[in-house]
Parts: sequence; structure tokens; C-alpha cells
Amino acid sequence: DSGVTQTPKHLITATGQRVTLRCSPRSGDLSVYWYQQSLDQGLQFLIQYYNGEERAKGNILERFSAQQFPDLHSELNLSSLELGDSALYFCASSVALRGQETQYFGPGTRLLVL
Amino acid sequence: QQPVQSPQAVILREGEDAVINCSSSKALYSVHWYRQKHGEAPVFLMILLKGGEQKGHEKISASFNEKKQQSSLYLTASQLSYSGTYFCGTESREYSGAGSYQLTFGKGTKLSVIP
Repeated sequence: DSGVTQTPKHLITATGQRVTLRCSPRSGDLSVYWYQQSLDQGLQFLIQYYNGEERAKGNILERFSAQQFPDLHSELNLSSLELGDSALYFCASSVALRGQETQYFGPGTRLLVL
Repeated sequence: QQPVQSPQAVILREGEDAVINCSSSKALYSVHWYRQKHGEAPVFLMILLKGGEQKGHEKISASFNEKKQQSSLYLTASQLSYSGTYFCGTESREYSGAGSYQLTFGKGTKLSVIP
């Protein structure tokens, strides 16, 4: 158990819909990272937040957005869903501002878009 | 630019050694190594920040050759628990210089350790 929690574990939805994935970092960790893992694209960095502020953007689509709240939990919003958005979405947390210390991954949310 | 990992897959008997390589076409600032077992989340192994630095984690160690833009992961006296897919993630200097964070992952190396 990494101490990072993600909900829901599984999500099945239809194309065109919008979903919200939630992540609670380990106690004391200020950085939250979101990753997408699919068979086609492999593991991809999406976005990073540090203490409530966006710090870095990776391969995140415009249809996707995220935020980190004052209690440090984070949400990833996926809208206008397409079949290709089906993937595992992981969040990770770390103490550091930059990604150069241990990142602890949550168990992931498996999204299936039908 | 995605780093290239080799080999794509390897099968070992318990006790044998293996090397997994990760090469990038970009100047690197750091290299991250993760192991992922089937159906589970990636687990951090180590981060290498300096050229030529070598780190260890149990019987797993890694080196980072900054000039060659590559890193190697060494698994010594492999155990059944080492089975999984190993990913390297590279952070290029292009982004690190801007004070930002960008981690690009390789496609992974599937390691199977058999008795």
C-alpha cells in the first residue's frame, strides 16, 4: 500500500460523457502527478500540481483538465470522452516540487469508454 | 521523444543476471526506473541525476551515462519477485532548464524470472 488512494477503481461510460477521477496523496506530499497508461500509447505523463498550483503539463489533451484542492487531493476531469480515452489513469504523489524524488503511485482508475 | 528500451523482453532463471538499457536522443537531466507487475501500479526503483552516477536498490542497481544519454539497469542474482515490466522515464535538459517537469517513458522491458 503506497498511501495514495484513487477513486473509483473502475469506471465504464459512453462516448461524449464526462467523468471525474479523484486522487488523495500520501500525508505530507505536496506534489500530485497524473499519468495515463494505455496499450497504444504506453505510460504518459499528463500534468503535475504542487500545493494547489499547476506546475507542469505533459501530453494532456484540451478535453482533460485537473485541479488540486486546498486539502491537497486532486481531481482529473475528462470530457467529451472518446473510445481512445480508455486507459488506466494513475496518480502519484511526492514531497518534492520537481519529480526528482520518490513518487508513490496510487492503484489507478481503469476507465472504459464504450 | 520517447526513450528506447532494450531488450523488449527477457527470460531468466533464478540467480541469473540481466541488464536493461534505456537510450534517449535528447540530452538528459535525470533517468527514473520503475517496475510494474501485471495488474498493479508502477513501483519506483530509483532516480539517477548525475552523469555516471550509480545507485542501488537491493540487488538492483543502475548507471547513468550523461554523455551517451543512456542508462542501464542491472539485476543481479534475479529472484522470482523481480518479474514484471521495467520502465525507464527520462527527463530532458530542455525542460529541466525551464524549471519544469516532463517525464517521458519507454515502452518497457518485460522480465520473466523462472525457477
